[in-house]
Amino acid sequence: GDSVTQMEGPVTLSEEAFLTINCTYTATGYPSLFWYVQYPGEGLQLLLKATKADDKGSNKGFEATYRKETTSFHLEKGSVQVSDSAVYFCAPGNTDKLIFGTGTRLQVFP
Amino acid sequence: DTGVSQDPRHKITKRGQNVTFRCDPISEHNRLYWYRQTLGQGPEFLTYFQNEAQLEKSRLLSDRFSAERPKGSFSTLEIQRTEQGDSAMYLCASSLVGGAINEQFFGPGTRLTVL
Repeated sequence: GDSVTQMEGPVTLSEEAFLTINCTYTATGYPSLFWYVQYPGEGLQLLLKATKADDKGSNKGFEATYRKETTSFHLEKGSVQVSDSAVYFCAPGNTDKLIFGTGTRLQVFP
Repeated sequence: DTGVSQDPRHKITKRGQNVTFRCDPISEHNRLYWYRQTLGQGPEFLTYFQNEAQLEKSRLLSDRFSAERPKGSFSTLEIQRTEQGDSAMYLCASSLVGGAINEQFFGPGTRLTVL
């Protein structure tokens, strides 16, 4: 069945460091790819998305590129802030549901 | 647009009791989804509706679970004879078919604790 593998957390960084959170997936067909973020005590929010190969999704300084050949959708940010501390979920999806990874907790210290 | 709302936000119940949760999607959205999230895990798909029709149910949804969306607007998720293993966050999401591909908007969740 469809599945997602995310890098284990927590990821601990100092403010202004570079962030990469790896995500690979297996899915039938040609899914859209999403990153969702869950801030402490809050619900899931869509961070960015890409709908076809080589598309780059971006939002709030975060970026991820849809790599069909490697079935990956790695999340990157050039300079993280303390306010980016949250749990990040990679999720491929088609028209009926999203498949979530286990999430990667990011902790950014000043 | 007030977003997806869920009620209640927290529910504590004793094992064996029945519980019902409600989800109100974004008003023009025709798809509604239920997910379950346990501590330290990502959300797991339970079921989804398009309008009032329930189109798919996960095998995670045992026969103690039932979901309805009677008028194609709000939805309810009922758990009968609750067990401690049912303790989790129950998330509702909605989307618009024909809009941005499967962009789902999530509610704040209902946290269930079964004692």
